[in-house]
Amino acid sequence: GAVVSQHPSRVICKSGTSVKIECRSLDFQATTMFWYRQFPKQSLMLMATSNEGSKATYEQGVEKDKFLINHASLTLSTLTVTSAHPEDSSFYICSALGLAPKRRGEQFFGPGTRLTVL
Amino acid sequence: AQKVTQAQTEISVVEKEDVTLDCVYETRDTTYYLFWYKQPPSGELVFLIRRNSFDEQNEISGRYSWNFQKSTSSFNFTITASQVVDSAVYFCALSDRERNNAGNMLTFGGGTRLMVKP
Repeated sequence: GAVVSQHPSRVICKSGTSVKIECRSLDFQATTMFWYRQFPKQSLMLMATSNEGSKATYEQGVEKDKFLINHASLTLSTLTVTSAHPEDSSFYICSALGLAPKRRGEQFFGPGTRLTVL
Repeated sequence: AQKVTQAQTEISVVEKEDVTLDCVYETRDTTYYLFWYKQPPSGELVFLIRRNSFDEQNEISGRYSWNFQKSTSSFNFTITASQVVDSAVYFCALSDRERNNAGNMLTFGGGTRLMVKP
């Protein structure tokens, strides 16, 4: 149980284009999902908290107009990188919390999406 | 300020050696949770353990063991008789209520890259 998928797993795009990454909880409902970014040989940095039916909460320094988050259902959150540039190349990871998490703080992680902007 | 510190950025051992990965954390919350995750080269985070602040019992799972010491704010991870498949980046993480009242946000340490050579 508690499987989270991400699509696509890998994407290469040209500078200036927009890229959408999907995060799905496959066998449970998630009111809250988190989006992380991980640069090579670095740790995971939280970008934003995505709440179903409401606006996302962005961490300091993360441009909300550049990284659009939509959490339209209890099983899907999307991250759109708008007008992507080479510096946006990174590994993007989502995680999800269950509706009634049995264990506080436990997040279920997706497999990640590797974005390369040329 | 960094709340989870993994002082060892890289460790290299020879197969069958024991290795300990250090994790020191900082929190003002009395109830908190500590985690270890493994990130193999594929990138997907693998959950290893969750420990709450009231449970200081050490835990052993096969070749893995964890030593939680509140007095020194440490939660160290030992791999006994390491194997090549243990090569990965290991992250220690903390969830507490300093970031949000729900206490469901994770703060990651910088990670320790473990290389096990045959």
